[in-house]
Amino acid sequence: AQSVSQHNHHVILSEAASLELGCNYSYGGTVNLFWYVQYPGQHLQLLLKYFSGDPLVKGIKGFEAEFIKSKFSFNLRKPSVQWSDTAEYFCAVSNTGGFKTIFGAGTRLFVKA
Amino acid sequence: GAVVSQHPSRVICKSGTSVKIECRSLDFQATTMFWYRQFPKQSLMLMATSNEGSKATYEQGVEKDKFLINHASLTLSTLTVTSAHPEDSSFYICSALRDRANTGELFFGEGSRLTVL
Repeated sequence: AQSVSQHNHHVILSEAASLELGCNYSYGGTVNLFWYVQYPGQHLQLLLKYFSGDPLVKGIKGFEAEFIKSKFSFNLRKPSVQWSDTAEYFCAVSNTGGFKTIFGAGTRLFVKA
Repeated sequence: GAVVSQHPSRVICKSGTSVKIECRSLDFQATTMFWYRQFPKQSLMLMATSNEGSKATYEQGVEKDKFLINHASLTLSTLTVTSAHPEDSSFYICSALRDRANTGELFFGEGSRLTVL
């Protein structure tokens, strides 16, 4: 069955701490991988995506993610978080074209100033 | 660019009534839109894929007669919750694929919180 698993439901960090959010997926065929973010009171928006090529992708606001095919993982990282990174982060997987996108349960990140 | 707007953002209705939620792509055409339901502390659950000019494709377990979807134009999809009951109370979110972009990126509405009394 297709699924996306995010390892942490809640993460609390102090500013300048490093962040890594885990994401593993089960999905047949060629996949596109995404991280979406939802800041308080705002729409879900794309943080970064992987389609092909370099498995280390960089997104907005200093975030990056690494696709490890052998581990079916797409973990999100940021070396030094800021208070403004407080948000909910969703890992998502789709087939080519974006149909049947499956979302993880989300991780709520709270960054203490 | 690529803005999706949902309306209303909040709606309260009595049990047995029907509620319509609109999802509009404001600055792009979207042949395909998606409707999700989000329960507290859970992920987005895909309810159906809305296709312009044709019938929606519903996910397993979603009642098509309960959740009517109409995608009459390239910029508008509507979700009507018919004969709503308290168990239909939830947060409903739409997203859209931008035509000809072929990136797989989804653009989301701000969501609509439905409360059925």
